[in-house]
Amino acid sequence: EDQVTQSPEALRLQEGESSSLNCSYTVSGLRGLFWYRQDPGKGPEFLFTLYSAGEEKEKERLKATLTKKESFLHITAPKPEDSATYLCAVRSIQGAQKLVFGQGTRLTINP
Amino acid sequence: GAVVSQHPSRVICKSGTSVKIECRSLDFQATTMFWYRQFPKKSLMLMATSNEGSKATYEQGVEKDKFLINHASLTLSTLTVTSAHPEDSSFYICSAREPASGNTIYFGEGSWLTVV
Repeated sequence: EDQVTQSPEALRLQEGESSSLNCSYTVSGLRGLFWYRQDPGKGPEFLFTLYSAGEEKEKERLKATLTKKESFLHITAPKPEDSATYLCAVRSIQGAQKLVFGQGTRLTINP
Repeated sequence: GAVVSQHPSRVICKSGTSVKIECRSLDFQATTMFWYRQFPKKSLMLMATSNEGSKATYEQGVEKDKFLINHASLTLSTLTVTSAHPEDSSFYICSAREPASGNTIYFGEGSWLTVV
C-alpha cells in the first residue's frame, strides 16, 4: 500500500528564516510526486511534479527535490504570504491515476 | 495552470434533502475527475474516481448510493449527496487530470456543505 508521511506537522518561522519540509514515501513504482499549497477554505494549488530521483524544480522562494525515499520542499527567505498548508502526494503504478496524500505541513511565517 | 471550477462554493441544505455540486474543467477536457472530502485540519480523503462515460470507482467505505457521481461530459462531473445528514457536512473538493501537462491533477476551489 502506498504511504506518504510529512513532517513536521506544523512549523513556525520568522520572515526570512529558511527551512525545509519533508515528505517520505513508500510506493510500488513511482509515477510522480506532487507538491500542493492549500490556503484555509480553498482547494489545493499545484506547485510541482517530480518524477525521478535527483530531479529538482524551483518556483520563486520554493525548491523541491526528490530522492528514492523522500522529497524536500525548501523555502528560502520566506514571507508571510507563504503561510499555508503544504501537501505532498504520490501517484504510483499500482495506484493507477489516484493521488495518495500526506497529512500536510502547516507553515506559518511571522512578520 | 489549468482551471477547475466548482459550484456552489457554499451550500446549506436540510436533512433528508439532496444537494448537487458541479465540477468543471474550464480550459481542458478531463476524462478523469476525482472527488475528495476534507475534514477540518485534516488531509484530503479520496471518495471516488469519475471517468467520463462510465461508472465512477468508489473508495472503500464510501457509500455509492449516497454519493452519486456523474461524469456525463469531458468538462463536467457532478456529486450529488442524497438524503443528506448533518454528518455529511464537510468540505468537498474535486480535481481533474489534465493530459497536456503530463497528467497533472488540478483542484477546484472546494464546496462547503452544511446540512441542518
